[in-house]
Amino acid sequence: EVQLLESGGGLVQPGGSLRLSCTASGFTFSSYGMSWVRQAPGKGLEWVSAISAGGDSTMYADSVRGRFTSSIDNSKNTLYLQMNSLRAEDTAIYYCAKRFGVNWFDPWGQGTLVTVSS
Amino acid sequence: EIVLTQSPATLSLSPGERATLSCRASQSVTRYLAWYQQKPGQAPRLLIYDASNRATGIPARFSGSGSGTDFTLTISSLEAEDFAVYYCQQRSSWPLTFGGGTKVEIK
Repeated sequence: EVQLLESGGGLVQPGGSLRLSCTASGFTFSSYGMSWVRQAPGKGLEWVSAISAGGDSTMYADSVRGRFTSSIDNSKNTLYLQMNSLRAEDTAIYYCAKRFGVNWFDPWGQGTLVTVSS
Repeated sequence: EIVLTQSPATLSLSPGERATLSCRASQSVTRYLAWYQQKPGQAPRLLIYDASNRATGIPARFSGSGSGTDFTLTISSLEAEDFAVYYCQQRSSWPLTFGGGTKVEIK
């Protein structure tokens, strides 16, 4: 069974940094691209970042480009999202998701909450 | 950026009724559209991809149709567990985008 487990969320001040992790199991992690998708409280879904299998290619939403960085560690079956220069509008549940087919998301982790507030 | 507009925002129906949800794209996405279901406190779940293909384990009462700019998710006969929020998503071009969602609630 494919499982994705996010961690690293929490409360951070505006301008601060946080690193999220997504630990995968149940599939050959190094063979699949991954994505991050976020959901602000009570709002809809927003794609944040995608990374190719192997990590050599990344894509970002305009809202986070230059501030967020996705990376992978295949030895640990783990996806990361380094978030710098955080803003109040980055407050959201952050989900990691395994790429299914070409840029569909299946399955998703349970999410980790990031709150940016002073 | 391709904007996806879902309608209606809320759909009030009774169990056993047919649900028809719409997703309209600001430009053609050919058939590169998916549908997700999200229940309160849970992560989204992939239902339909490439406009009309059901994901693994998804019941046959869920079906998708459409191409170009207009897409439909149909739930043929609503069951209690189907009351949730539904999102469409396109992968035709970057950035990947989602619609704003349709909430299917019990009437």
